[in-house]
This record gives sequence, structure tokens and C-alpha cells, in this order.
Amino acid sequence: QQQVKQSPQSLIVQKGGISIINCAYENTAFDYFPWYQQFPGKGPALLIAIRPDVSEKKEGRFTISFNKSAKQFSLHIMDSQPGDSATYFCAAGMDYGGSQGNLIFGKGTKLSVKP
Amino acid sequence: EPEVTQTPSHQVTQMGQEVILRCVPISNHLYFYWYRQILGQKVEFLVSFYNNEISEKSEIFDDQFSVERPDGSNFTLKIRSTKLEDSAMYFCASSEGHNQPQHFGDGTRLSIL
Repeated sequence: QQQVKQSPQSLIVQKGGISIINCAYENTAFDYFPWYQQFPGKGPALLIAIRPDVSEKKEGRFTISFNKSAKQFSLHIMDSQPGDSATYFCAAGMDYGGSQGNLIFGKGTKLSVKP
Repeated sequence: EPEVTQTPSHQVTQMGQEVILRCVPISNHLYFYWYRQILGQKVEFLVSFYNNEISEKSEIFDDQFSVERPDGSNFTLKIRSTKLEDSAMYFCASSEGHNQPQHFGDGTRLSIL
């Protein structure tokens, strides 16, 4: 119930294309859904996050779509660039139920954007 | 932009030895976390720390692990008697408040021989 399932495991996209990464969760107590970007040798860097009171959040080329009823959320990267090549992790956290904000991470998606 | 800093970047230790990983969280943050990432796998929560005590810990965080905030700036993770399976990247994170965005350091690569 605490799992976050992420797909695909790897993704190859042409420059200028749209990258889409999907995540699904079971625990309806989750109410905070961040996406992290990780480059080799670096820590995860927060990219964008959403809470369940909205269905979409956009920041520049990055958009999170959230479907509460399906318990799914996805990251869309528009106009993908070679510099976006990294591993992307979705995560989920909760405000209540005794959890002090620890994040449950998906297994990650390795994105390669070809020039 | 303020950042979480971790030292050392790489630690090599003999099995059975004690190791201390150090973190300096962002200065106005109140919540502190340790996560680990075994090579090629997902990031896993170890422990959260607030108001000078552990808030929550995962089943990974057994009696061999401890955390401490020895002064106003450092946050440490100690592994008392390291095992081969403790080899991983260890990330420290901090946040301003409960379930506020967590900011991660670049990690310490721990190699147990």
C-alpha cells in the first residue's frame, strides 16, 4: 500500500518531442506528489510538485497531470532537450496519519533525449 | 541559492567499522531526513528528525543506525557496525516544514569492503 509504481523504466525521446512518465499509487492518504530529477553523481533535485486539490500544474516545459480517482499522476516534458536527459523519480508523501513527511519514491525513469 | 551539503562525498570503510556521515541542512529548515539509494535502485526513506528527536523511521533504520544534531548546523547519520549491504549512496534532505518541499544534498557514497 505504501508503494508508488513508476513507468516506463527507460525512455528515449527525440529532441523537441514530448516525454511522458507515469506513476500510480494505492494509499489514498497520500496528498503530496513531487517529481525529482537526478543527474549522475548528484542528489535528487525537486522539479515540480502537486497536491490533490488540482488536476494539473505547469512550470515552464514541465507539467504534472493528476487523476485522483484513478490514483495516477504523470510528468510531461514538452519540447524535450538533450539537457533533460536524467533519471526522473516520482514520489508521494502525506500530511497526516503519523507520517512526518517521509517520501515514498518510485523506481525511477531514465530519460535519454536524442539530438 | 541555499543548499544541503554533505561530507564526505565518498567514504570507504571496512566491514564492522563505525562510520559517521555528515550533513549541513539549509539554515532555516526544521525537518531533516536521511535516505539511501542502493546503486541503480530507488531512493528509500531511512529516518526523519524534528525538534531534536526522531519523528519516523523505516524498517531499514535498525539499531545499527543513529542520528544526531550535535550543534545548530550539523545533522549526522552513524552506522555502528557496517555491513556489506550498507554500501549505497546516502542522501540528507531538509525542509522548512512538515511536507514542505524536501531539498537533497548530493550524497555520500559509502563503500563497505
